[in-house]
Amino acid sequence: AAGVIQSPRHLIKEKRETATLKCYPIPRHDTVYWYQQGPGQDPQFLISFYEKMQSDKGSIPDRFSAQQFSDYHSELNMSSLELGDSALYFCASTLPWGSGSGNEQFFGPGTRLTVL
Amino acid sequence: AQKVTQAQTEISVVEKEDVTLDCVYETRDTTYYLFWYKQPPSGELVFLIRRNSFDEQNEISGRYSWNFQKSTSSFNFTITASQVVDSAVYFCALSEAMNYGGSQGNLIFGKGTKLSVKP
Repeated sequence: AAGVIQSPRHLIKEKRETATLKCYPIPRHDTVYWYQQGPGQDPQFLISFYEKMQSDKGSIPDRFSAQQFSDYHSELNMSSLELGDSALYFCASTLPWGSGSGNEQFFGPGTRLTVL
Repeated sequence: AQKVTQAQTEISVVEKEDVTLDCVYETRDTTYYLFWYKQPPSGELVFLIRRNSFDEQNEISGRYSWNFQKSTSSFNFTITASQVVDSAVYFCALSEAMNYGGSQGNLIFGKGTKLSVKP
């Protein structure tokens, strides 16, 4: 079965650089979520998109932006990277409401970002 | 506001012992979902179970079982006859059924419980 795809899997950047993380949801899934998990922390919700429109916003820094494209893939753009941005970034997707999936979020493998 | 509390930060057991991971949640929603995820050292998040707020039936899946009690806002997870491969961080999570944006709600995670199973 198809899974959520994230790229790249690992990324190393210097402070003040920019980074772009990509997420390809499972086909027919209409909602994409981004989460950030710092070392030893729980995943924190950043932002979500529903049918290519921003749906909800969590603790996403102003230096970050995201969008969902016509093919439903999503990109998280991070600028002026700081040491504290080093984390595992997860993307998740869900089937449409009413499909019986009960908001089960299918997670990608994550992108591990290291800022030096 | 929604909140998930996993009071046990770390638990260490010896193989074949039973272990229960506690989860207490807070929400004002009448319709919500509860989840358990496993995160092994490799880092991926592995879905274990989902429960909706209207289904208090306990569930058993092999060595895993879950006890959902709305009266105490708890959703506890028990591993019977633990194995070394069960060593991981386990997260309990909560989501509202739908947010104002029209999509299904994001997950709110507890801090996680690190389970170490020693041979």
